[in-house]
Amino acid sequence: EAQLVQSGAEVKKPGESLKISCKGSGFNFNTYWIGWVRQRPGKGLESLGIMYPGDGETRYGPSFQGQGTVSADNSITTAYLQLNSLKASDTAIYYCARFLAADGFDVWGKGTMVTVSS
Amino acid sequence: QSVLTQPPSVSGAPGQRITISCTGSSSNLGADYDVHWYQQLPGAVPRLLIFGNNNRPSGVPDRFSGSKSGASAALAINGLQPEDEAGYYCQSYDKGLSIWVFGGGTKVTVL
Repeated sequence: EAQLVQSGAEVKKPGESLKISCKGSGFNFNTYWIGWVRQRPGKGLESLGIMYPGDGETRYGPSFQGQGTVSADNSITTAYLQLNSLKASDTAIYYCARFLAADGFDVWGKGTMVTVSS
Repeated sequence: QSVLTQPPSVSGAPGQRITISCTGSSSNLGADYDVHWYQQLPGAVPRLLIFGNNNRPSGVPDRFSGSKSGASAALAINGLQPEDEAGYYCQSYDKGLSIWVFGGGTKVTVL
């Protein structure tokens, strides 16, 4: 069964950085895109970035440009979301999900809650 | 503000049919890119509801259906059930942004 397991909840101070992980199993990690989606409290879903681990192609959503990076380590089938210079407005649940253009985000991680507070 | 526009809320009585629209442009839906739909129950992880415009993953009840025409798409729920009360999001590729984007989401309330 395909599965994505995300790292646990984090509490950070403004200005700090954070790297969230997402480990894939049960599928060929190199033949799917892995995307990152943010959901701020009470708000909708936002595409932050997406990466194809097979060749490293990466794309970023307009609201995330310059705010961080997505990456992956194929050897351990793990994707990462790096968040830089955290602000209170980065408080959100961050989801990773498996993606194919024809099939959508069909497998989701359980989400990582990030709280940014002084 | 998303490039895919959805109504913020739609409501209906149990058993009714409702539709949720997703309006795009020539940069996304109108450029013949597929639309996908997601359901997010309160406090839960989003789940794929419709993929490739009108296909249901296994386990999704057939009262959910999708359609697409030109730069617009729609999700229909026939025979609305109390457990359908949730947020619904459309998604498609936008060639101007070069990434798949979500609509703003629609909250469905069962009266």
